[in-house]
Amino acid sequence: KNQVEQSPQSLIILEGKNCTLQCNYTVSPFSNLRWYKQDTGRGPVSLTIMTFSENTKSNGRYTATLDADTKQSSLHITASQLSDSASYICVVGPNAGGTSYGKLTFGQGTILTVHP
Amino acid sequence: DTAVSQTPKYLVTQMGNDKSIKCEQNLGHDTMYWYKQDSKKFLKIMFSYNNKELIINETVPNRFSPKSPDKAHLNLHINSLELGDSAVYFCASSQSRSRGRKETQYFGPGTRLLVL
Repeated sequence: KNQVEQSPQSLIILEGKNCTLQCNYTVSPFSNLRWYKQDTGRGPVSLTIMTFSENTKSNGRYTATLDADTKQSSLHITASQLSDSASYICVVGPNAGGTSYGKLTFGQGTILTVHP
Repeated sequence: DTAVSQTPKYLVTQMGNDKSIKCEQNLGHDTMYWYKQDSKKFLKIMFSYNNKELIINETVPNRFSPKSPDKAHLNLHINSLELGDSAVYFCASSQSRSRGRKETQYFGPGTRLLVL
């Protein structure tokens, strides 16, 4: 069964600090891994997308890493800001014969709270 | 200039009623999706349309019927609503013309459905 597990479930940090969120997956065959940010009451917004051949991808203060051998990914947030408070969702896409129509498996998300 | 819009944002209704949720995207994308986010915050794919053609139809009760009048619109009609249908429903779109593995999905703001 394809699964995506994230840890921790929730995290509280002080503004300006760094943090790292973890994602383990069992989706196979694997095509791509995405990190989304979901603000409360809004839809998810894409942060990074990586294929199995990429092991790091940055988007501003967000850096995602991928180890396709161990099936693990992490999202590192540098110099956190209050606006980083959100749910961060790890999403894995399967390799479906070379096409990808979005049959993604979503993790439950890590709820990050940044305090001033 | 909302890229993916959904109406209504909130929907409160009685069990047994029939309701529709509308989705429109102005990104010129070929592919649109409906997701359900349950109380545990997992997002699960329900349907996907590519150029008005149904390409993903997950295990969803046939009370749920998607309709795509054109590639910019994907509506969701739900018959005989049940308590368990209460959730947040997200519409999304992506440009699948390249059929690449890294196409970003853009999500709408969600429709919060509460069945009483």
